Amino acid sequence: AQTVTQSQPEMSVQEAETVTLSCTYDTSESDYYLFWYKQPPSRQMILVIRQEAYKQQNATENRFSVNFQKAAKSFSLKISDSQLGDAAMYFCAYRSAFNTNAGKSTFGDGTTLTVKP
Amino acid sequence: EAQVTQNPRYLITVTGKKLTVTCSQNMNHEYMSWYRQDPGLGLRQIYYSMNVEVTDKGDVPEGYKVSRKEKRNFPLILESPSPNQTSLYFCASSRAGANEKLFFGSGTQLSVL
Repeated sequence: AQTVTQSQPEMSVQEAETVTLSCTYDTSESDYYLFWYKQPPSRQMILVIRQEAYKQQNATENRFSVNFQKAAKSFSLKISDSQLGDAAMYFCAYRSAFNTNAGKSTFGDGTTLTVKP
Repeated sequence: EAQVTQNPRYLITVTGKKLTVTCSQNMNHEYMSWYRQDPGLGLRQIYYSMNVEVTDKGDVPEGYKVSRKEKRNFPLILESPSPNQTSLYFCASSRAGANEKLFFGSGTQLSVL
């Protein structure tokens, strides 16, 4: 079974600064997908960024980027130029690329990010 | 507008009284899934469905039932709710393919007294 660990229950960052949220995972599979989802106070879950394990290049979406280290099973999220609207809980998630397990998804416990003005 | 609709948003019930939380998506997605969110535990998958009439257990299926008779609907049934099922529930859907992003409903806050 796969596990996803987010070791930082809470993080804070000053507006306009950069913050990195950590995520590690454990799997015996060689092909999979990793995601970061954001949950603001509205409760609505929103995809921030995704990474395909077979791609060595780190994914980037505007101010959001990941540092994907496959050998270390690490998938951290970097938020640059933090904005007040980035305040939310962030979840790291894993999905297998293999058909037999593709329906299962595993989420971390979440990291609550506070942005200070 | 593309969306996943969950109802109700809030529900208070008593132990043992059967309830159903509905979930409907208008994007013709093959994949649908249910999660519960508890403080400090993140999201845990209850059941998922890869297509009509195809369902399978997630990590915490005990005490829950699902059915997928139509592509758009994926109701979650609690036949005899207990207080430990008090939680925030989310339904999600996506196109087939593990790389596809999940579209989430707005959540259902359930309290079982």
